[in-house]
Amino acid sequence: GAVVSQHPSRVICKSGTSVKIECRSLDFQATTMFWYRQFPKQSLMLMATSNEGSKATYEQGVEKDKFLINHASLTLSTLTVTSAHPEDSSFYICSATRFQGLASLFFGPGTRLTVL
Amino acid sequence: TQLLEQSPQFLSIQEGENLTVYCNSSSVFSSLQWYRQEPGEGPVLLVTVVTGGEVKKLKRLTFQFGDARKDSSLHITAAQPGDTGLYLCAGARNYGQNFVFGPGTRLSVLP
Repeated sequence: GAVVSQHPSRVICKSGTSVKIECRSLDFQATTMFWYRQFPKQSLMLMATSNEGSKATYEQGVEKDKFLINHASLTLSTLTVTSAHPEDSSFYICSATRFQGLASLFFGPGTRLTVL
Repeated sequence: TQLLEQSPQFLSIQEGENLTVYCNSSSVFSSLQWYRQEPGEGPVLLVTVVTGGEVKKLKRLTFQFGDARKDSSLHITAAQPGDTGLYLCAGARNYGQNFVFGPGTRLSVLP
């Protein structure tokens, strides 16, 4: 199956700092990547759709100035949590769409963010 | 409004039992995918179904896509503790331009 990586897998930071999370499609090109947030024992909450070479599309209620998304290449999207606060602590997961006859969505392993 | 419903949302069974998880929608999807997620990890793709009425088998797991491509089911035979996890269904819209996720079914298989 396709491989999507995320880095870092875990990050602990102080309140007020910014944190960048990388999402890479390792063996395919992804024109579209998605960023999710997941709270304990809940399903995935889509934050934004990242489109290569253009601005991300944010879901309602997600602050685009708070969660900066950059999709500079066909294999890399980054999510930067700016001026992080404890309420931003969560599990962040990215996914990428691979089109090979049909569209399949592959997920990264997730990043656990803890803001102190 | 939840575009994809899953039932049950929680299920706790004994090892060896069979179970079925349902994924329902009023919308038609170009394809539907099932994932399993374990704590602290990203969801792992189990199967993609595309054709209405399609049935796919993956060892003890049987997936079916409804004839109208609006619903799907996942049947697990002789469940094992290793099947424990969150099962998510996702419908593809606009041929994969975006995906809609169900709320998930949290399965616990007790030894």
